[in-house]
Amino acid sequence: DTEVTQTPKHLVMGMTNKKSLKCEQHMGHRAMYWYKQKAKKPPELMFVYSYEKLSINESVPSRFSPECPNSSLLNLHLHALQPEDSALYLCASSQSGTGSPGELFFGEGSRLTVL
Amino acid sequence: AQSVSQHNHHVILSEAASLELGCNYSYGGTVNLFWYVQYPGQHLQLLLKYFSGDPLVKGIKGFEAEFIKSKFSFNLRKPSVQWSDTAEYFCAVRDDKIIFGKGTRLHILP
Repeated sequence: DTEVTQTPKHLVMGMTNKKSLKCEQHMGHRAMYWYKQKAKKPPELMFVYSYEKLSINESVPSRFSPECPNSSLLNLHLHALQPEDSALYLCASSQSGTGSPGELFFGEGSRLTVL
Repeated sequence: AQSVSQHNHHVILSEAASLELGCNYSYGGTVNLFWYVQYPGQHLQLLLKYFSGDPLVKGIKGFEAEFIKSKFSFNLRKPSVQWSDTAEYFCAVRDDKIIFGKGTRLHILP
């Protein structure tokens, strides 16, 4: 089991829907991440929050909107997605902020299907 | 920007065979190196990591990796694989963010 909890595990949405993915960790980690993983591909970094501030945005389309309400929670708001956005969305956390050594702890992911 | 390459995309071995998966990163300086494993239907788990010190790093489940600075390499090894090692293996490097290699799909024949 992982200490990073993601909900929902599966999500199906239409292109006009608005939905959110949620991630929670209680390890006291100060950096949280969203990655996108397509089938048989490596995880691709989307966003990084360090000490609750957005520190990295990998040129992600605005239909994906991250939010970090506090140091334990990370959300990814989804609006007007395209079918090609269907993927496994992974949340991760690390003890220190970006640029500091430390491994990532991953959640099990939210599998998103856009119809 | 830093990048990482994995040479083997798909490896098939019999149980008890020895394993070596290649990983190279693009440039020197201070880097942190990782190997992650993703078992079918499971989350990414850390196998081992290198930050500094002894270049031979031991991880979980009998895996080890050797950091060779002159070759920009961090190859993963296991002397005797088991069927349960069937998984996808990702090498990763961190400078300001963690970047993953394309992964190696390992299939162990019973």
